[in-house]
Formats: sequence, structure tokens, C-alpha cells
Amino acid sequence: KNQVEQSPQSLIILEGKNCTLQCNYTVSPFSNLRWYKQDTGRGPVSLTIMTFSENTKSNGRYTATLDADTKQSSLHITASQLSDSASYICVVSDTDKLIFGTGTRLQVFP
Amino acid sequence: EAQVTQNPRYLITVTGKKLTVTCSQNMNHEYMSWYRQDPGLGLRQIYYSMNVEVTDKGDVPEGYKVSRKEKRNFPLILESPSPNQTSLYFCASSPRTGLAKNIQYFGAGTRLSVL
Repeated sequence: KNQVEQSPQSLIILEGKNCTLQCNYTVSPFSNLRWYKQDTGRGPVSLTIMTFSENTKSNGRYTATLDADTKQSSLHITASQLSDSASYICVVSDTDKLIFGTGTRLQVFP
Repeated sequence: EAQVTQNPRYLITVTGKKLTVTCSQNMNHEYMSWYRQDPGLGLRQIYYSMNVEVTDKGDVPEGYKVSRKEKRNFPLILESPSPNQTSLYFCASSPRTGLAKNIQYFGAGTRLSVL
């Protein structure tokens, strides 16, 4: 069964600190992996998208990594800001379908 | 501004009263989709459309209908809403028929409560 699991479920950090979110998947065939940011009460917004051959991709202070062998991805947030408080959703695509993780809820406190 | 617009943003209704949630995109995207999001569950696809007059069931289509008469619009219809359809709904669109590398753009969401 195709699944995407994220950890931790929730995370609290202080402003300025770094953090790493994890995503493990069992999706086959694999097409790409995406990270989305979802602010409270808003729709998800794409942060990064990586295909099988890409190991890392950055978008400002967000850096995603992908290990296709172990079927793991991480999202690293550097020098966190209050505006980073949101849910982060890992999404894995097979050839024509998106499988969504349940997300990690990140709260950044001053 | 490129966007996906859903209406209404919030809706409270009663069991059995037909309702429609509208979705419109101004990016000329072929692919459109409806999702529901419930606590503890990831987004689940309800229906999707590859192009005008082409619609297909997603993972949780029961109790929903859609239509795609125009490229820009993809309304979600609940003919006889039930309390288990209380959820947060998202419409999304994508620039091409395949999802392989295309970013989906999401609307702001519609929070529906069925009493």
C-alpha cells in the first residue's frame, strides 16, 4: 500500500533555531517528492519538488533532501522565523497520483 | 494574479440540503482536483478532471459530484450532505494533464459543517 509517513507530528522551536522534518514513503512507482507549507486556514503552497535523480533542493531557508534508496526525505529549516509556523506536508507522486502525508505541525516561538 | 478561488470559504448547512462549492482558476490549467482534509489524515482526493468534460473518481468520491463544463471552473456538488462530510475542502489546479512534475496550486479552502 502506498503510504507517506511524517515525523514528528508536531514540533516547537525558538526563533532563530534550525530544525529538520522527516518523511518516509512506500510509494511505487516513484515519480517525485514534494514539500508543501500550509499556513493555518490556507491552502498548501509548494516549497520544493524533487525527482528520483535529485538529492537536494533549496528554496531560501528551506532545504529538502531525498534518499531514493532508503525512501526517505527531510526538510531542513535554517534560522527559523515566526512566519515559519505552519504545517509542512510531504507529498509523493507516482506516475499520476499524489499521496499526502499527514504533516508536521511546526510552531516557532520568540 | 494567478490564483485558485473557492467560494464560499465557510459554510454551515443541514443534513440533506444540496450545496455547491465553486472553484475557479485563472491560469488556463487543464488539471483540476478536489480534496478533503480531516484531522489526523492527509489530504484525500475526491474527484479530479484532466480537461473539459473529463472527470474521474479519486479516493473518496462517495456522496460527491463534480462537473467540468468550462476549463476554468470545477464545482463540487453535495446532493444530500451528511455530517460525515463535515471537513475542510481544497480545490487545486495544475498546468498539464500529467502530475509527474507539475506543481499543484491550491485554493484557500472551504470549511464545511453539516449539522
